[in-house]
Amino acid sequence: DIQMTQSPSSLSASVGDRVTITCRASQSISTFLNWYQQKPGKAPKLLIYAASSLQSGVPSKFSGSGSGTDFTLTIGSLQPEDFATYYCQQSYSIPTFGQGTRLQIK
Amino acid sequence: QVQLQESGPGLVKPSQTLSLTCTVSGASIGSGSYYWSWIRQPAGKGLEWIGRIYTSGSTNYNPSLESRVTISVDTSKNQFSLKLSSVTAADTAVYYCASSTVIGGGWLDPWGQGTQVTVSS
Repeated sequence: DIQMTQSPSSLSASVGDRVTITCRASQSISTFLNWYQQKPGKAPKLLIYAASSLQSGVPSKFSGSGSGTDFTLTIGSLQPEDFATYYCQQSYSIPTFGQGTRLQIK
Repeated sequence: QVQLQESGPGLVKPSQTLSLTCTVSGASIGSGSYYWSWIRQPAGKGLEWIGRIYTSGSTNYNPSLESRVTISVDTSKNQFSLKLSSVTAADTAVYYCASSTVIGGGWLDPWGQGTQVTVSS
């Protein structure tokens, strides 16, 4: 299995901040990397696919980058609705998820 | 657009088989354009991919669950199903169904709303 490791596991930030979440794969996955946002009691929502493509309807303040083993999700100008848990997922082989990053209000 | 809805018992006894169904609307499950997946999430924990099925019936499973999992498709009802045998309390989770396009890069979208399954006597 390809292991996905996110950092940090939790993050405190203020409204208006810009934050970056990192995801590392245990082997190269090219750009087969996707990012999801999950709010309490809700299903995950696709934000970014293929490492850097913005899903339709997702605000442009979300951006993704990376290839190979190292990837980042950046969220610009945090708003209250952005405080949630974020997961990366590799789709290079049998899908696996990162452990999640909980983004909390400072 | 594609919409998914999970259904099934919310309570299963230990050692029994968990059975869930995902009903698809907005797309034909037999079209050959999608993979149909199951994912679960224990309370307060992360996401675990369980497995997926293609229209042809070919499946892929999480190796950690493979011995207990069966995913099947019913094209006449536009549904696909999950069976997980010999359940224990560790199988208590919210179970989601989701789709991914065959020609895409394997991202999961959309997802169903999820259904809570509790394993308890």
